[in-house]
Amino acid sequence: DTGVSQNPRHKITKRGQNVTFRCDPISEHNRLYWYRQTLGQGPEFLTYFQNEAQLEKSRLLSDRFSAERPKGSFSTLEIQRTEQGDSAMYLCASSLGYRDTEAFFGQGTRLTVV
Amino acid sequence: AQSVTQLDSHVSVSEGTPVLLRCNYSSSYSPSLFWYVQHPNKGLQLLLKYTSAATLVKGINGFEAEFKKSETSFHLTKPSAHMSDAAEYFCVVSEWAGNMLTFGGGTRLMVKP
Repeated sequence: DTGVSQNPRHKITKRGQNVTFRCDPISEHNRLYWYRQTLGQGPEFLTYFQNEAQLEKSRLLSDRFSAERPKGSFSTLEIQRTEQGDSAMYLCASSLGYRDTEAFFGQGTRLTVV
Repeated sequence: AQSVTQLDSHVSVSEGTPVLLRCNYSSSYSPSLFWYVQHPNKGLQLLLKYTSAATLVKGINGFEAEFKKSETSFHLTKPSAHMSDAAEYFCVVSEWAGNMLTFGGGTRLMVKP
């Protein structure tokens, strides 16, 4: 296993289009997290899954955002009707889910909305 | 609610000199604290973590951090900077519920030859 994998690495889209990102976590990890990082800022929490259940969502996650983790394996993050303010790096992380265990991050998907 | 403040957005040191990156946190519970490093075009990598055991934590690449509850601080240090240490560093706090990580704004470390 080579770690957390995110696809695509880069995405350029026109405003108003829908985009979908995929995250493949480390195989035995039951927790999966999505974060968003804008230029010059630290990552901000969006949502997380315990297996297939989405347990928490940040208020940053507007109605245009939806995340799924079918069967508790890979996850997708969809943004509908993209806006220029959605331009950011979207990071996925996974962990074993016990207190204090390390979260392993993917390299992220950089979204540019033009 | 938990929060993290990294007191310096940029730190510049000369190669071979000590590094100090400052972090203060706020948490309602007994937190876990982490330092992550982000090199350009690479994923976030864990440097070290504090989980209520020893207050002086040693990490990878010669970094260490000391948890000071009375000062709510978790500063990152390294005795001698190397050129390869140039990167963005994030101080991170986590409370029990959900193991959600809250990141500070980051400190960009520059190392001069």
